[in-house]
Amino acid sequence: GDSVTQMEGPVTLSEEAFLTINCTYTATGYPSLFWYVQYPGEGLQLLLKATKADDKGSNKGFEATYRKETTSFHLEKGSVQVSDSAVYFCALSAYYNSGNTPLVFGKGTRLSVIA
Amino acid sequence: DSGVTQTPKHLITATGQRVTLRCSPRSGDLSVYWYQQSLDQGLQFLIHYYNGEERAKGNILERFSAQQFPDLHSELNLSSLELGDSALYFCASSRTGGADTQYFGPGTRLTVL
Repeated sequence: GDSVTQMEGPVTLSEEAFLTINCTYTATGYPSLFWYVQYPGEGLQLLLKATKADDKGSNKGFEATYRKETTSFHLEKGSVQVSDSAVYFCALSAYYNSGNTPLVFGKGTRLSVIA
Repeated sequence: DSGVTQTPKHLITATGQRVTLRCSPRSGDLSVYWYQQSLDQGLQFLIHYYNGEERAKGNILERFSAQQFPDLHSELNLSSLELGDSALYFCASSRTGGADTQYFGPGTRLTVL
């Protein structure tokens, strides 16, 4: 079945450091790819998405490029802030003849940014 | 604020009991999804309703059931509760379905003692 694998955390960075969270996927359909963020005590929020190969999603300084050749959708940010501390989830929804599947999530990566 | 509301925020109950979790989707959204988040299983899809009809089932136990009402709100019923059912239950809604962005509610934290 479809699956998402993302790097295990926790990841601890100093403020203004560069962030990369790796995400790879397996899907036999045509997946759309997502990054969701969960701040402490809150629900998930969509951070960015990409619906086809080579698309780049971006939001709030975060970006990720849909790489079909490496089945990857790595999340990057050039300079993290303390307020970016959260859990980040990579997810996919794949299209088949019967329609799109519900979201399949990775296990999440906890990011802590220290001042 | 995503526009998706869930009640109650917290629920503490005993094994063997039955509870109902409620979700109101964003205005105009026809799809409602339920997810369970636990430390060991991560985020797992339970069930999807679209405009009152069940569209897809995931890892939902037979003790769990759901429905979506004509006003599009949804309820998730959990019965014969076990300790292992303790988790965060999220509802999400989207305009139609498919690859539409899903908007998540704040969740209901269920604790089974």
